[in-house]
Amino acid sequence: GENVEQHPSTLSVQEGDSAVIKCTYSDSASNYFPWYKQELGKGPQLIIDIRSNVGEKKDQRIAVTLNKTAKHFSLHITETQPEDSAVYFCAASIGRGSTLGRLYFGRGTQLTVWP
Amino acid sequence: SQTIHQWPATLVQPVGSPLSLECTVEGTSNPNLYWYRQAAGRGLQLLFYSVGIGQISSEVPQNLSASRPQDRQFILSSKKLLLSDSGFYLCAWSGFGRSNTEAFFGQGTRLTVV
Repeated sequence: GENVEQHPSTLSVQEGDSAVIKCTYSDSASNYFPWYKQELGKGPQLIIDIRSNVGEKKDQRIAVTLNKTAKHFSLHITETQPEDSAVYFCAASIGRGSTLGRLYFGRGTQLTVWP
Repeated sequence: SQTIHQWPATLVQPVGSPLSLECTVEGTSNPNLYWYRQAAGRGLQLLFYSVGIGQISSEVPQNLSASRPQDRQFILSSKKLLLSDSGFYLCAWSGFGRSNTEAFFGQGTRLTVV
């Protein structure tokens, strides 16, 4: 089955700096790569996703890049703010039918943004 | 708009007791439904998924079972809880056909088995 590795497990940055979280996956059939933000005691919320037919996607301060050849994808947050502090999860799936929600998650990155 | 409800939010149960967690989705039809578990300090692991009423697929062997008695209702159960069943349980759904673009999670149930 799919194996998703995520690094780093913890990340501390100063407000205004950039944060980068990296993930690798093992199954070349995976073609859907979402990123979720989870605040304490709450369910994960989708913040951005990318499909294998594109290499980069951006939404305001958040961007995701995908390298299918190397089987890795990354989350980039620019101009970080204290409210960005949360646990971030990457995931991979075969993005069609019922398999889209059959997500394989990384172990998460605890991001702390210091004011 | 679509919403997903999970309850209860927290639950403390003794070892050996039964379990029933419920999840319902509103505002959509024929959703794909999923149960995930998140152990402390770890990512989410898929336990069950369902593509329709009465159709349940299990991802990992365990002490739990799932049922889907109605189109938008998904239930996670156990006859006898183990200590190792403690964790944060999350229900999720994704759309049908062309609506199947992302997976949405509920707010979760924190289960502590004592």
